[in-house]
Amino acid sequence: DAGVTQSPTHLIKTRGQQVTLRCSPKSGHDTVSWYQQALGQGPQFIFQYYEEEERQRGNFPDRFSGHQFPNYSSELNVNALLLGDSALYLCASSLGSTRQPQHFGDGTRLSIL
Amino acid sequence: SQQGEEDPQALSIQEGENATMNCSYKTSINNLQWYRQNSGRGLVHLILIRSNEREKHSGRLRVTLDTSKKSSSLLITASRAADTASYFCATVPNRDDKIIFGKGTRLHILP
Repeated sequence: DAGVTQSPTHLIKTRGQQVTLRCSPKSGHDTVSWYQQALGQGPQFIFQYYEEEERQRGNFPDRFSGHQFPNYSSELNVNALLLGDSALYLCASSLGSTRQPQHFGDGTRLSIL
Repeated sequence: SQQGEEDPQALSIQEGENATMNCSYKTSINNLQWYRQNSGRGLVHLILIRSNEREKHSGRLRVTLDTSKKSSSLLITASRAADTASYFCATVPNRDDKIIFGKGTRLHILP
């Protein structure tokens, strides 16, 4: 039974570019949440998707957007990349909401040059 | 901003000793969760304690919750080298599901 998988594992972009990160949730899970983790910090909640809609959003600008597909997989898109967007981006899945235990993937390490 | 604040920021102990980490938060919560993160990996859920619970156990882990003080503690008994990791508390506020992680405690178990 596969857990949460994320792709790619590493990515290097330059300022101003756009990036798309992908996530497949744990089998049986219907809710996907995305987090940004800067070095030495805890994860910060970006947004959560349920039934293909954004249900909750953290304090992130509109440059961060997402999508959830009918098979519950999800994408995180970031436009107009800034140096400060360099971080580990984590995807987590759960059944229903963040009130349930989150199952995390190993993340995508995004570096902005 | 991050609601949960772990204390201490870093902790080094000898293998076999007990490790205690604390977490403080600011607003009323639905539940509090503890996670472990090994270097370069994703987070692993350890234990969830609801606001109406005071103590919970799972194997060598013991979590307490004091809602009057808005604080929680994680105790790892008989530590092992494999327990070396960062530990995060995460709170789910009553008002919404925007889970909030603290900055973590970096635990190092010395052989």
